[in-house]
Amino acid sequence: DQQVKQNSPSLSVQEGRISILNCDYTNSMFDYFLWYKKYPAEGPTFLISISSIKDKNEDGRFTVFLNKSAKHLSLHIVPSQPGDSAVYFCAAEGNFGNEKLTFGTGTRLTIIP
Amino acid sequence: DVKVTQSSRYLVKRTGEKVFLECVQDMDHENMFWYRQDPGLGLRLIYFSYDVKMKEKGDIPEGYSVSREKKERFSLILESASTNQTSMYLCASSLRDREFFGPGTRLTVL
Repeated sequence: DQQVKQNSPSLSVQEGRISILNCDYTNSMFDYFLWYKKYPAEGPTFLISISSIKDKNEDGRFTVFLNKSAKHLSLHIVPSQPGDSAVYFCAAEGNFGNEKLTFGTGTRLTIIP
Repeated sequence: DVKVTQSSRYLVKRTGEKVFLECVQDMDHENMFWYRQDPGLGLRLIYFSYDVKMKEKGDIPEGYSVSREKKERFSLILESASTNQTSMYLCASSLRDREFFGPGTRLTVL
């Protein structure tokens, strides 16, 4: 049972425009969410996170929005740059007494020059 | 900077072979994890460890075992490799909710 879902396996966006990646979760015990970025032949790297006590967190061109009632989060990248082309994974952590993350299936973002 | 290293970037093994994947982290993290990444399935947790000699099953432990004899080293073992274990294997260590990943090992089982 996939508790963290990324329903778009791929997304293409024009350079300079906004990229919006979406993630849905089912477990209401999740209280911390992260986005990771992965280039081919490399391990994922941390991008941005948000705690469930917030609804928005911004870091430069990256903003994560959290809608707890809808169990939905999104990552906005603006403006999109060619170097943003990668696979993006959302991940969730719950108040289970451990630091185990549950990852989504990933969205491949392609920025078109 | 946190560094997580994995012993091999690419590995080719035959069905039935015993396979060891090694992972080392240099930041004294207590938590370490092994994932596999497959197209359309994302990252799936195989095993994790919170301390030396301690291990817990993740979501897909079947066909795998692990060893954590030292804090910095977490090994994934395929006792008898099978073709459905062909995958990208990623090791991670964590500090305060943030996981740091190694570069991955692409394992092909023929």
